[in-house]
Order: sequence, then C-alpha cells, then structure tokens
Amino acid sequence: GAGVSQTPSNKVTEKGKYVELRCDPISGHTALYWYRQSLGQGPEFLIYFQGTGAADDSGLPNDRFFAVRPEGSVSTLKIQRTERGDSAVYLCASSLSSAVGNEQFFGPGTRLTVL
Amino acid sequence: SQQGEEDPQALSIQEGENATMNCSYKTSINNLQWYRQNSGRGLVHLILIRSNEREKHSGRLRVTLDTSKKSSSLLITASRAADTASYFCATDALLSYNQGGKLIFGQGTELSVKP
Repeated sequence: GAGVSQTPSNKVTEKGKYVELRCDPISGHTALYWYRQSLGQGPEFLIYFQGTGAADDSGLPNDRFFAVRPEGSVSTLKIQRTERGDSAVYLCASSLSSAVGNEQFFGPGTRLTVL
Repeated sequence: SQQGEEDPQALSIQEGENATMNCSYKTSINNLQWYRQNSGRGLVHLILIRSNEREKHSGRLRVTLDTSKKSSSLLITASRAADTASYFCATDALLSYNQGGKLIFGQGTELSVKP
C-alpha cells in the first residue's frame, strides 16, 4: 500500500512569502505529526493531530506557523512571512493512533529553501 | 530542543565490521526507538525497545537500553555498504501512557561503510 506522501518535494520561495506544505498520511492512520529537520540535526517536533484536532502544537516556533487537518486525513502546514531561518526539511509522519509506542511512518519530506 | 546526544557524530568502517552507535537522553521514557535516514529525507523505523527491556534483537541489529544511565546503543553486525546512512535515536516522554507519542530525536550518527 501507499506510504506517507508529501508535496511538493522541494519548494524555493523568497523571504516574506507564504507557503503551504501538504501531507497525505497512510489511509486509516488517525495520528499525524509534523517535524522540522535542519541540516546536520535530528528532526524536531512541531505539531501533531489526533483526528481533526491539533492535540499538541507546542513545537511550533511562532505564530507564523499554522497547520490544519480539516477532514482528519490530509494535513497542510502553512508558513506566513517566511524567513531564511525557516529553511529546512519538513517531515510528516502518521501512525495508527497517538498511543505511545506506535510506530510512526515518515514521508520523504519537503525541502523548503527561503532565499 | 533535542532530547540528548548521540555518539559518535560520524563513524567510518569497512564492510564486514561491526558498527556501534550510542545515544543518551535526559528525561524518563516509555520507549526508545532507532530510525535510519538516507540522504537527509524520510526516516525508516528500525527497532523499538520498551523501558522495561534491556536488550532487543532484529536481524543484524542489537539494541541495548540502560534506563539508570539514560543511554542506549545500536549495534549493526557484519555491516554492508548499503548500511551507509544517518541513524537517530528517538524517545517519548514519560508523562502519561497516552501522551500522544511525539518523538524527541537525538542529533544522529552518520555511518559510512566502505566496500
């Protein structure tokens, strides 16, 4: 079956622009996670959804970042007024549920470059 | 913020040799997981060890966990060139059993296996 997919795979934008990053989780997975990975670092948690609601958004760096999952499946991470420091690979993962210990399946990521 | 440190940051070995990577973390955990990442993109889950387990095997992988020292090690035996990748440990926080499963990653070890 299909894994987690993310689009676009690469996004280049200019400072100050708005971007949307999309994640399609594995069908039937109720939990969806967003992480951000800078060069040479491990992924850092941003936000996770259980169903349609954001259950924990404590990792979002500031109010320029927002994510939605309106129908409990596809999620969109939105970044307003992008800054050069937002450049990173944005990873999405899904799991059967948000119970601790469930394996998270990762997508290939979206590489965001802010010029 | 990252959960802890991984050691070494980079490791270069010959095919057939064993590779050992270490991970330390800061807070009490439910589980510790190891992931592999090729070319800075999607992560692949390798193995999960629970806090009440001390050692676990999966094929050529052996993971140990010492909760008293808050550390874990990943051993890859009889390494192959195809094992070349970055390896990350990831933990969840022991706040409650159903805390949402968000993962906190280490900085990773970059393994290079030369043919």
